[in-house]
Amino acid sequence: GENVEQHPSTLSVQEGDSAVIKCTYSDSASNYFPWYKQELGKRPQLIIDIRSNVGEKKDQRIAVTLNKTAKHFSLHITETQPEDSAVYFCAAISEYGNKLVFGAGTILRVKS
Amino acid sequence: NAGVTQTPKFRILKIGQSMTLQCTQDMNHNYMYWYRQDPGMGLKLIYYSVGAGITDKGEVPNGYNVSRSTTEDFPLRLELAAPSQTSVYFCASSGAGGGYTFGSGTRLTVV
Repeated sequence: GENVEQHPSTLSVQEGDSAVIKCTYSDSASNYFPWYKQELGKRPQLIIDIRSNVGEKKDQRIAVTLNKTAKHFSLHITETQPEDSAVYFCAAISEYGNKLVFGAGTILRVKS
Repeated sequence: NAGVTQTPKFRILKIGQSMTLQCTQDMNHNYMYWYRQDPGMGLKLIYYSVGAGITDKGEVPNGYNVSRSTTEDFPLRLELAAPSQTSVYFCASSGAGGGYTFGSGTRLTVV
């Protein structure tokens, strides 16, 4: 089955700097890669996603890139703000059942 | 349009007790899922369903059961609660091809 690895586990940046979180997946048949933001005590919220037929997608300060050959995808946050502080999860869809397999998460701290 | 509704939000169980976590969605999604999230950890799939009458095990199904008698409802049953089941439980639903909507979660403590 699918396996998703996520790095780093924690990331501290200064306000205004960029943050990059990277994930690798194992199943070459996976075709959907969402990123979720989870604030303390809240549910995961979808912030951006990408499908395997595109290499990059951008939404304001957030972008995701996908390298199908290398089986990795990354989340880029520019001009970070304190409210970006949260746990971020990458995920990949796994074959039958539309099942999302999640990475272990990255704690992002934006220092002001 | 409420999305995915989970009840209860909080529950304390004694070891050996049983309970059912309720999950309802109003988006006519075929796919529904139960995940658990331990403190400081990621989400692990317990059970999932691809449609009414069809359920299957995920990564961590032991100690749990599910049923899917309707498209809207996907309850999770805990039999003989154990301290290892202390966790936050999230229900989610989706259409085909991704796009999960999560419920607000149930925080369960087993003492």
